Amino acid sequence: DTEVTQTPKHLVMGMTNKKSLKCEQHMGHRAMYWYKQKAKKPPELMFVYSYEKLSINESVPSRFSPECPNSSLLNLHLHALQPEDSALYLCASSRYSQTQNEKLFFGSGTQLSVL
Amino acid sequence: GDSVTQMEGPVTLSEEAFLTINCTYTATGYPSLFWYVQYPGEGLQLLLKATKADDKGSNKGFEATYRKETTSFHLEKGSVQVSDSAVYFCARNSGGYQKVTFGIGTKLQVIP
Repeated sequence: DTEVTQTPKHLVMGMTNKKSLKCEQHMGHRAMYWYKQKAKKPPELMFVYSYEKLSINESVPSRFSPECPNSSLLNLHLHALQPEDSALYLCASSRYSQTQNEKLFFGSGTQLSVL
Repeated sequence: GDSVTQMEGPVTLSEEAFLTINCTYTATGYPSLFWYVQYPGEGLQLLLKATKADDKGSNKGFEATYRKETTSFHLEKGSVQVSDSAVYFCARNSGGYQKVTFGIGTKLQVIP
């Protein structure tokens, strides 16, 4: 199994809603990532988890709350989002986080629309 | 900071044409360099990588050489196919934790 699975594929939410994005991998990878990709822009790193601990937070607003319940799962909890947060949210994983040339495996993403 | 600059698209080519997509990177540290490809409606997939100067990454007919003297990592393919139509991202890594910086992406459209 060399897949990173993200659910849901599409999500529409209001600014007062609370929702969660889910990501799962069964490759035994110990590093997992959240990226945000706006239309026609490159992915931007949001968070890095290494061995289930938050290693990097790229100054992301607190309305985005990541969680890593175990080594295979990564969640992104959303609350009080703004319309400008509408984007494709990509999850990725790699074997480790502390070596330079590790390949990132990406999921297909969740297309989020905030109304 | 670390950055990657690549040519903006879209690039439109006829099938079997030669492809070059230019990419340059900031020369801080000793980065690894990558090309990722994103097909419509999908996440990114690693196409090829190079980890040190003069390394050549190759996959599926695509090639790129890590040129330290020109801080470049240009993507080439001798004969493109319609199935190569996608967005191509050049990327570099930073030391320590895996912080990958992507270029803006170049959309390639191959017409029959």
